Amino acid sequence: GAVVSQHPSRVICKSGTSVKIECRSLDFQATTMFWYRQFPKKSLMLMATSNEGSKATYEQGVEKDKFLINHASLTLSTLTVTSAHPEDSSFYICSARDGRGRQYFGPGTRLTVT
Amino acid sequence: SQQGEEDPQALSIQEGENATMNCSYKTSINNLQWYRQNSGRGLVHLILIRSNEREKHSGRLRVTLDTSKKSSSLLITASRAADTASYFCATDSYGNNRLAFGKGNQVVVIP
Repeated sequence: GAVVSQHPSRVICKSGTSVKIECRSLDFQATTMFWYRQFPKKSLMLMATSNEGSKATYEQGVEKDKFLINHASLTLSTLTVTSAHPEDSSFYICSARDGRGRQYFGPGTRLTVT
Repeated sequence: SQQGEEDPQALSIQEGENATMNCSYKTSINNLQWYRQNSGRGLVHLILIRSNEREKHSGRLRVTLDTSKKSSSLLITASRAADTASYFCATDSYGNNRLAFGKGNQVVVIP
C-alpha cells in the first residue's frame, strides 16, 4: 500500500521556539494532505486541509498564524508550530489523499514542549 | 466538529472471543471507515463501507452500516492478542473532503 512518512518522529523543544514537521507521500502524488492533532487517549482532531500550491484551510479554532502549513509540492507538506508552548505538546499526524480519494496516514510526530 | 462518535467504552476480552464496537454519526455520509491505532503509532486503515452498503467483510472483520440510524458496528471475530489497539470510525461526507473521527474504542485482548 501507499506510504506516508513523517519527520521527525519525536521532537522535544523549548518553549518559545518553532518546530517544523514534514509529511511526505513516498510513492504517490497527493494533491491534498491533512494535519491532525491527537491528545492522549483521545481521537484525532482535524487541524487543517492542505492543497498543493494554495493556502491551507484551517478548522475552526485552529490558529493559522501559530500552525503554519506549506504544501510546496505534490509529495510534501510541512507543519510549523511557531512559538511553541507546553500546551502545544501533542501527537501530530498527517495524511495524504491519492487520486482515488483514499487517505493514507503517517506514523505521527510526538511533540513535547518543555 | 467531529461527526463520528463511538460509544466511549473500553473492551477487555479473552483471546478467541469476539469484540464488537459501535459508532454513531450525525450527518449524511459518502462512506464510513474504520481504523486501528496501536499505542503511539499512526492509523491503519481497516475497512471502508459505502453509504449504499449494509454489511462488509474483510478477513476476521465484519462491518455493518445502518444509515437510517446513522450508526455502524465493527466486529472482530476470534480475537488475538495482536488485536489489542484503539479502533476509530471516521466518516467522509458528501462534498466534504475531510474525515471526521470518532472518539475511539480501546480494545485489550488478554492472551
